[in-house]
Amino acid sequence: DAKTTQPTSMDCAEGRAANLPCNHSTISGNEYVYWYRQIHSQGPQYIIHGLKNNETNEMASLIITEDRKSSTLILPHATLRDTAVYYCIALNAGGTSYGKLTFGQGTILTVHP
Amino acid sequence: DSGVTQTPKHLITATGQRVTLRCSPRSGDLSVYWYQQSLDQGLQFLIHYYNGEERAKGNILERFSAQQFPDLHSELNLSSLELGDSALYFCASSVDGYTGELFFGEGSRLTVL
Repeated sequence: DAKTTQPTSMDCAEGRAANLPCNHSTISGNEYVYWYRQIHSQGPQYIIHGLKNNETNEMASLIITEDRKSSTLILPHATLRDTAVYYCIALNAGGTSYGKLTFGQGTILTVHP
Repeated sequence: DSGVTQTPKHLITATGQRVTLRCSPRSGDLSVYWYQQSLDQGLQFLIHYYNGEERAKGNILERFSAQQFPDLHSELNLSSLELGDSALYFCASSVDGYTGELFFGEGSRLTVL
């Protein structure tokens, strides 16, 4: 699976959009981009994933650049409960164990009042 | 609530001892994954079971073993415990072995003294 690079930490004001970048310049054509978050020692929570089209669900939007070398997770209206570590993961759809996720260090997002 | 149940939530034991962590996946999910999270190693994939069969192994120590039973619950056995085994152990489940969308439990916190 391709390596991903994320900023160590980011801040965001409550009610504003949080834009979390992820670089995956070596991603291959059959690798999806997955996002998870972990709130203070709770179990990681799946947020969203995509291959090359932009995706949106009730939690967030995922914007993937046309060359697929980077992506941005957008939390449209961040709340204090969105304070967490956010992980960007590249996952090979051709593997036999898709859930073998490789978590990096992630981005610590702190949402301020 | 992810629907994944892990017991016990907390466990304190001594070096050299053996413990068993239990995981009940979401109803209908066939895959169970185990992850370890320690302060210095982050989230590490240990092992994946699909419908009772081992599908993939990560950096799981030989002192650790797991199995998935016919009712699909899983157990992670940790033996000859060392101080360094102190960590959060997460179980996750997915509907099959072909998705990166995992549902994680709240974890079992193991402290080895």
